Amino acid sequence: EAGVTQFPSHSVIEKGQTVTLRCDPISGHDNLYWYRRVMGKEIKFLLHFVKESKQDESGMPNNRFLAERTGGTYSTLKVQPAELEDSGVYFCASSSGLLGAFFGQGTRLTVV
Amino acid sequence: SQQGEEDPQALSIQEGENATMNCSYKTSINNLQWYRQNSGRGLVHLILIRSNEREKHSGRLRVTLDTSKKSSSLLITASRAADTASYFCATDGRYGQNFVFGPGTRLSVLP
Repeated sequence: EAGVTQFPSHSVIEKGQTVTLRCDPISGHDNLYWYRRVMGKEIKFLLHFVKESKQDESGMPNNRFLAERTGGTYSTLKVQPAELEDSGVYFCASSSGLLGAFFGQGTRLTVV
Repeated sequence: SQQGEEDPQALSIQEGENATMNCSYKTSINNLQWYRQNSGRGLVHLILIRSNEREKHSGRLRVTLDTSKKSSSLLITASRAADTASYFCATDGRYGQNFVFGPGTRLSVLP
């Protein structure tokens, strides 16, 4: 069974540009989460989808971040415009609600 | 203090020694998971322990869970240089709350 996949694995963009991260959850998992770890600090929750609905987006730092999960399958996280402090590793996880969360390998975002 | 808080924040040991990391949390949970992150890379799931379990083993890993104390420990035996990484515990709330990570413990295994 395929795990959670994230794309790209690494992205380097200039300040002010736009970047879109993608997450493909494990098939059948209704729950999808985005997290990020900035500058070696804590792993912080961003938001939680249940199917295509945003269950909790309290962790989204500001309106430069937009997450979507059209059709309740894969999800995208867009950062527009990117700032230097957005650099970090962005993790996606999916869960069926029974066995814990399965995380992807993350996307390392570097804003220069 | 934060849910899923690890202790200690940094740990340095010699290769072959055992490493113990602790995690405390605040609310009721369904399960607790331990993850490893090598520098700048993805999260690797190590082990999941359910709230009704007290101890679990996986290779050189041993996890304990004490729900009365709301704490868990991760023991890595016979450590190797390749175990050098940050280790995180994550809890999920019993009532559907999102997974909460602790700040992580940076483990350095010296050759």
